[in-house]
Amino acid sequence: DAKTTQPTSMDCAEGRAANLPCNHSTISGNEYVYWYRQIHSQGPQYIIHGLKNNETNEMASLIITEDRKSSTLILPHATLRDTAVYYCIVKASYDKVIFGPGTSLSVIP
Amino acid sequence: GAVVSQHPSWVICKSGTSVKIECRSLDFQATTMFWYRQFPKQSLMLMATSNEGSKATYEQGVEKDKFLINHASLTLSTLTVTSAHPEDSSFYICSARDRELAGGRGQYFGPGTRLTVT
Repeated sequence: DAKTTQPTSMDCAEGRAANLPCNHSTISGNEYVYWYRQIHSQGPQYIIHGLKNNETNEMASLIITEDRKSSTLILPHATLRDTAVYYCIVKASYDKVIFGPGTSLSVIP
Repeated sequence: GAVVSQHPSWVICKSGTSVKIECRSLDFQATTMFWYRQFPKQSLMLMATSNEGSKATYEQGVEKDKFLINHASLTLSTLTVTSAHPEDSSFYICSARDRELAGGRGQYFGPGTRLTVT
């Protein structure tokens, strides 16, 4: 069974915030929420991860609900270069990364 | 930040030949490396996990005799596709886990190698 559920695709206007949701209702107490993205024909790129607190870095913000059953990745000002497939992954810190289908985000001019 | 390189970035080979792909961690030591394969319009699929100095662990359905993995040092793992066929054409991506930062964000991905078998 997949550990996460994400929409297949989303569009976002350039300059606007992109909010990418992820459901992970069966997350365990020792599992983190990780986000990676893959731009076409490139290797995956780490974005951010968190356990239960909201996190922010230079790329994005991660909002995790209090019950930890869902989260949202926020790209505050999307650019055309943010067009990519975004993967939400739930895993313990030492576990290997297993990719689901992800969300294909298209940033539109 | 930690960098993982792959060589070559793309390769074309004839059916029946073998091809080797290298994965290197450039500025950190990786006790564990991972190999993924990605077909067009699909997600990455984990093929195998390799630990330095020991045999690789293959995921279900991946032929270990066809995809030979060697992790001879803390900075180098190789994937050899033996007797390649057109259906092996794919995007191969490696990932390395930093021994010092094995938790957190400590798994870093290479840029990928595009294999085309003619």
